[in-house]
Amino acid sequence: AQSVTQLGSHVSVSEGALVLLRCNYSSSVPPYLFWYVQYPNQGLQLLLKYTSAATLVKGINGFEAEFKKSETSFHLTKPSAHMSDAAEYFCAVSAGPSGTYKYIFGTGTRLKVLA
Amino acid sequence: GAVVSQHPSWVICKSGTSVKIECRSLDFQATTMFWYRQFPKQSLMLMATSNEGSKATYEQGVEKDKFLINHASLTLSTLTVTSAHPEDSSFYICSANGLGAETQYFGPGTRLLVL
Repeated sequence: AQSVTQLGSHVSVSEGALVLLRCNYSSSVPPYLFWYVQYPNQGLQLLLKYTSAATLVKGINGFEAEFKKSETSFHLTKPSAHMSDAAEYFCAVSAGPSGTYKYIFGTGTRLKVLA
Repeated sequence: GAVVSQHPSWVICKSGTSVKIECRSLDFQATTMFWYRQFPKQSLMLMATSNEGSKATYEQGVEKDKFLINHASLTLSTLTVTSAHPEDSSFYICSANGLGAETQYFGPGTRLLVL
């Protein structure tokens, strides 16, 4: 079974500051991990994914995430926040190659960027 | 690539009527499609998984007769909300992935309002 915990339902950062959104997972099998972004009244856009290759994953819009098995974490970072980064971010886990690719989503983190 | 569309984007209907929502993969063959429901300021709740040509697999607590899912082709899945009631008002999002592919690509969502 899989589960995902996103610490912090709301995160505020200043424009130009580091963005850090936390995601911890639990999985009984090697997981696949994903970060998605959702803008108001829209679907989800894939930012990046981990599928057992490189542990440091680079995504779109300057985001990256590092898979740390020992910490069961997959935190999302961006060195310098931009106003356009304000959105809802979801972390998701699936059961990897042994599963049906069903996702378990975290509860989401709303990122606010302050001018 | 990997574009998923949904139609309609908005629908308002009277209580007791049925509403059909279409989900299409535009540039790939979607062997599996997923239907989610999202309440305001909440995460996505998986309703069902559908494979082309097979009956959908519903998550626990989701009424099969209420939410009819058809995946008749590799590019189209439909969700029909039968005898809709105000409590069915929600944001419905579909996603799709290709054969052996671990990544779900999401549609833009359909907002349903039942009066």
